[in-house]
Amino acid sequence: DTEVTQTPKHLVMGMTNKKSLKCEQHMGHRAMYWYKQKAKKPPELMFVYSYEKLSINESVPSRFSPECPNSSLLNLHLHALQPEDSALYLCASSQDHDSNQPQHFGDGTRLSIL
Amino acid sequence: AQKVTQAQTEISVVEKEDVTLDCVYETRDTTYYLFWYKQPPSGELVFLIRRNSFDEQNEISGRYSWNFQKSTSSFNFTITASQVVDSAVYFCALDDYRDDKIIFGKGTRLHILP
Repeated sequence: DTEVTQTPKHLVMGMTNKKSLKCEQHMGHRAMYWYKQKAKKPPELMFVYSYEKLSINESVPSRFSPECPNSSLLNLHLHALQPEDSALYLCASSQDHDSNQPQHFGDGTRLSIL
Repeated sequence: AQKVTQAQTEISVVEKEDVTLDCVYETRDTTYYLFWYKQPPSGELVFLIRRNSFDEQNEISGRYSWNFQKSTSSFNFTITASQVVDSAVYFCALDDYRDDKIIFGKGTRLHILP
């Protein structure tokens, strides 16, 4: 079991649906991350939250909307996704964003867009 | 520019053999951190090791060992007496002070055959 918990583990949605991915950590980490990973590729950074503020947005389309309600939670709201958005979405956390500490990853949500 | 190269896309070895995964990096910074992560079929990335650029001591953890050589910009990972449970994708990654994100290599898929 990882210390970063992601729900749901699997999600199938249509292109007109609205859904949310959730991520939770209780390690006291102040940096949290969303990554997208396509098959046989490395993870690609989407967003970084540092002390609950959006720190980095890697030019992600607006159909992905991150939210950090508190220091333990990170959400990714999805709306009007495209089939090419089907991927494994990984959440990670680290002590903070600047100290080069290792990131701890969740199990991911496998997202399929019909 | 920062870059991580894992030239071995896929490796297959028979159980109990030793195997070395190669990682070569590029960075202009003198201070940087290198990581190895393991991604089993279940999806989560598991942190294995972090090494900073000022510490060139090799490290051993059980059957795992890492060889860091700044002269050749390499950070290779050896698994001794491999086991089927070692089958996974292994990512080498670089984190320096110039960029705000970890740069992952493309990963090496390791198959340990029984």
